Amino acid sequence: NAGVTQTPKFQVLKTGQSMTLQCAQDMNHNSMYWYRQDPGMGLRLIYYSASEGTTDKGEVPNGYNVSRLNKREFSLRLESAAPSQTSVYFCASSPSGTDNQPQHFGDGTRLSIL
Amino acid sequence: AQSVAQPEDQVNVAEGNPLTVKCTYSVSGNPYLFWYVQYPNRGLQFLLKYITGDNLVKGSYGFEAEFNKSQTSFHLKKPSALVSDSALYFCAVRDGGSWGKLQFGAGTQVVVTP
Repeated sequence: NAGVTQTPKFQVLKTGQSMTLQCAQDMNHNSMYWYRQDPGMGLRLIYYSASEGTTDKGEVPNGYNVSRLNKREFSLRLESAAPSQTSVYFCASSPSGTDNQPQHFGDGTRLSIL
Repeated sequence: AQSVAQPEDQVNVAEGNPLTVKCTYSVSGNPYLFWYVQYPNRGLQFLLKYITGDNLVKGSYGFEAEFNKSQTSFHLKKPSALVSDSALYFCAVRDGGSWGKLQFGAGTQVVVTP
């Protein structure tokens, strides 16, 4: 009954370092999403994957890349971390993007860039 | 374009009193509306949704929401608040006629005092 699992839960990086945030879902969902949450700004979509093999930019894609590794896994990569990328990152999934079902969220990765 | 406004950063209510969290939206097509709740250091949890039909929607934990098309609002309500309802609440909307990118409001912090 895991749902959406994100690793790591916490990470501190130095400016310029790179890292990959991992996300996996076990609900056989087709669509997956990456959001960032900043105080007073709600959740903003970084990238999404409508189905296995496809990825598209969201509202705030600059500085990030993604990979839909298979149907279960969707990773987010920061190639050269910047302090402005300090945030809480959430992965979500849904059965598809065209139905009326809610998205299911992981518990987030709290990322600090020094 | 779609947008969501949650006009109150924080709502304070005494335990046992009614709780209302306000949300207004803008979308070009038919709105699919969602409420989520976030507890500290956790991901977002789905509470309820409006897709079509009855304007009063019932959800988890005794919450309900009223869809008002003329006022483009979708306010979340609970008749009798509990201390355990203290959390961050997000309203989200997407255009039902297009692929499912959600637009989130900035969130409303609910504080229920004993």
